[in-house]
Amino acid sequence: AQSVTQPDIHITVSEGASLELRCNYSYGATPYLFWYVQSPGQGLQLLLKYFSGDTLVQGIKGFEAEFKRSQSSFNLRKPSVHWSDAAEYFCAVGVRTNAGKSTFGDGTTLTVKP
Amino acid sequence: SQTIHQWPATLVQPVGSPLSLECTVEGTSNPNLYWYRQAAGRGLQLLFYSVGIGQISSEVPQNLSASRPQDRQFILSSKKLLLSDSGFYLCAWSLPDRDYNEQFFGPGTRLTVL
Repeated sequence: AQSVTQPDIHITVSEGASLELRCNYSYGATPYLFWYVQSPGQGLQLLLKYFSGDTLVQGIKGFEAEFKRSQSSFNLRKPSVHWSDAAEYFCAVGVRTNAGKSTFGDGTTLTVKP
Repeated sequence: SQTIHQWPATLVQPVGSPLSLECTVEGTSNPNLYWYRQAAGRGLQLLFYSVGIGQISSEVPQNLSASRPQDRQFILSSKKLLLSDSGFYLCAWSLPDRDYNEQFFGPGTRLTVL
């Protein structure tokens, strides 16, 4: 069965600093990978997705992620963090079935210091 | 464009009372539908998913049930709530018959069982 690990439960960065959130997955085939963001008390919003092709994918709000098959990783990055980026971030791996299910990691909470 | 609605936004219920949470999707046909629960500080747990009217799959044994009486309506129910049913409930949808499965989330329902 597929699984997703987000090793960092909580990360704190200063505003303007760079950010990298880690995600490792386990899946028996080429994965579909996603990063979602959740503001407090709200639903999840898709930041970016990887299905195939270029391993560096660009998303909304200045985020990018790189798929590294050899490391089973899909880390999320942003060169300069803004205070509004404070939120919880979830990595997910999609299952190739017509039910379209995804397995989510436990999330990483990002705090941004002024 | 597609939109997803959930109600109520918040709910406080006594132990042993019934539950009905509703989710509706607009702007798409025959979507895959999902119910997730998010406990405080935890990731997303998939509870149920549906690929069509009357087709419900349960991911985990529990005190809850789901129904899909119409194409774009997904209902989460319980006959008798437990304290452990407290949490943040999210409904999501994805496009049908697709290999890749980006999901679109509703705003969520905060359920507190006292």
